[in-house]
Amino acid sequence: GAVVSQHPSWVICKSGTSVKIECRSLDFQATTMFWYRQFPKQSLMLMATSNEGSKATYEQGVEKDKFLINHASLTLSTLTVTSAHPEDSSFYICSARAYLGGGTSGSSTYEQYFGPGTRLTVT
Amino acid sequence: GDSVTQMEGPVTLSEEAFLTINCTYTATGYPSLFWYVQYPGEGLQLLLKATKADDKGSNKGFEATYRKETTSFHLEKGSVQVSDSAVYFCALSGQGQGAQKLVFGQGTRLTINP
Repeated sequence: GAVVSQHPSWVICKSGTSVKIECRSLDFQATTMFWYRQFPKQSLMLMATSNEGSKATYEQGVEKDKFLINHASLTLSTLTVTSAHPEDSSFYICSARAYLGGGTSGSSTYEQYFGPGTRLTVT
Repeated sequence: GDSVTQMEGPVTLSEEAFLTINCTYTATGYPSLFWYVQYPGEGLQLLLKATKADDKGSNKGFEATYRKETTSFHLEKGSVQVSDSAVYFCALSGQGQGAQKLVFGQGTRLTINP
């Protein structure tokens, strides 16, 4: 089945530094990837939609200059948390959208496959 | 905006018990509805889905029926196993958006005791 990996799985950094998280689709190409943030005992909140070869689309309230997204290839998207602060500590999850079929006579079918997440702790 | 509300957890059951996890939603039009499961240390996996009213999604003994009249998509399983212990997320994607912009409920942690 489709596999999405994230690296690192956890990271601790000092306040003011930047951290890069990678999201890779291992056995399929993904023109679209998504980045979510999950607080303890809370739901996943969509941060942004990452499109290969174009700028990411950010959800309302997400600072695009703080959370830099680069989708440089069909299998890799990166999220860089710039000038991290303790309030940025969270669990970051990516997903990659896979095309399953259809499109000519009917609607196209897609499915999102999720990475295992990255735990970021800013001290 | 669109939203999903799940029953609060955690839920603890004995093996072979009947499971229901309630999920209701608010959305315009006809969203697609999903249940995802997250096993310890793993990413979210699609458990089942339904794309139109009265559809029933099913997988691994789990079922959920898309009820437009009650805006609900409750997850059920007749006899749970220890291996079903995980966090379950109800989600929707807006009409016409396919697998785009999933809106998640808060998740329900399920623990099955032998």
